[in-house]
Amino acid sequence: TQLLEQSPQFLSIQEGENLTVYCNSSSVFSSLQWYRQEPGEGPVLLVTVVTGGEVKKLKRLTFQFGDARKDSSLHITAAQPGDTGLYLCAGAGNYGQNFVFGPGTRLSVLP
Amino acid sequence: ETGVTQTPRHLVMGMTNKKSLKCEQHLGHNAMYWYKQSAKKPLELMFVYSLEERVENNSVPSRFSPECPNSSHLFLHLHTLQPEDSALYLCASSQDIGQGTTDTQYFGPGTRLTVL
Repeated sequence: TQLLEQSPQFLSIQEGENLTVYCNSSSVFSSLQWYRQEPGEGPVLLVTVVTGGEVKKLKRLTFQFGDARKDSSLHITAAQPGDTGLYLCAGAGNYGQNFVFGPGTRLSVLP
Repeated sequence: ETGVTQTPRHLVMGMTNKKSLKCEQHLGHNAMYWYKQSAKKPLELMFVYSLEERVENNSVPSRFSPECPNSSHLFLHLHTLQPEDSALYLCASSQDIGQGTTDTQYFGPGTRLTVL
């Protein structure tokens, strides 16, 4: 069974600070997605990474896929209150429909 | 209208009621999914449909009954639910069930279900 772990589970920071959250597994994934979910809404896709070592940037967000395709990180520069939410990583395994989600990191950015 | 839509957004039902959740995707995708999201638990995959055929059923109780009449619509029929079934039910779709970027799932806003 492929599992994803995310750390930290909770994170509360001040506006303007930088932060990194992690998504780790002992399994290899063919692709990995990051989502942000706000209360009462569905997860919204931020990025998909496919190639080991890949780095993608989305404004102040930087996503990295590990070389071995087992882990990923999300770095936010100069966090803003609008970044508040639940950040989920999800991985697609090598068996098609085996799509797993991590438990998420709940981020709170205080003004 | 684009993306994935779900109705109703909120539903309150008694344990003896029968209700249905509806999901519609306007993305031309071939795969659709139902997830359950409870407080303090990761997203739980319930059902997967590919080209209208169920390809995965993760030991979901029979009081949840999915239906996929075509590749754009997915229903979740509910009957004799329990209070512990209260949760956010999310629908998602993806281009295909395969590897790489075609697995990327796009979610609807969810139905917040409360069972009294």
